[in-house]
Amino acid sequence: NAGVTQTPKFQVLKTGQSMTLQCAQDMNHNSMYWYRQDPGMGLRLIYYSASEGTTDKGEVPNGYNVSRLNKREFSLRLESAAPSQTSVYFCASSYLQETQYFGPGTRLLVL
Amino acid sequence: DQQVKQNSPSLSVQEGRISILNCDYTNSMFDYFLWYKKYPAEGPTFLISISSIKDKNEDGRFTVFLNKSAKHLSLHIVPSQPGDSAVYFCAASDPDSWGKLQFGAGTQVVVTP
Repeated sequence: NAGVTQTPKFQVLKTGQSMTLQCAQDMNHNSMYWYRQDPGMGLRLIYYSASEGTTDKGEVPNGYNVSRLNKREFSLRLESAAPSQTSVYFCASSYLQETQYFGPGTRLLVL
Repeated sequence: DQQVKQNSPSLSVQEGRISILNCDYTNSMFDYFLWYKKYPAEGPTFLISISSIKDKNEDGRFTVFLNKSAKHLSLHIVPSQPGDSAVYFCAASDPDSWGKLQFGAGTQVVVTP
């Protein structure tokens, strides 16, 4: 039982490049989330998926897109990376509106 | 506008003593509060939670207190252990913002021998 897994662990991009962050959970949770964490700030919600087939914007969605591929997987895409998107990205999942369980994070550096 | 605030960025405490972490919030609609613990290069892990219908919840060495009138909650760790050295995040949610958590900026706790 791996919980929430994220790939890659670390990525360096040049401004304007695109990439997809992958997230998967094996806890049969309905809901999944993407957060970013910046120095001196708490985690901020980018997008979430309440259930398979639905996605909604969070607090900081600009510059990102998401796909809920199936119940297990929720990906985050940066179409044209910007230095302001340098951050640590965390994926989380929960059964319903309950406690969220987090993955280990992806460190992204945009040059 | 940050609705959840942790005004102490760091806390140093001796092993065996009590650690008290504080969290203030501004949104009176928040009805569920959580504390997460985070080690470097790892994701946050759930520690303890409390519903707004309670004013205290205990789990082993960890106790969370909620003062709704003051819009304040605190986490007590007794006794503090070296393995408790981590960043602690306070988070809150309201019933109208389905599942979306608002996080504080975190408090770095260092437990010294």
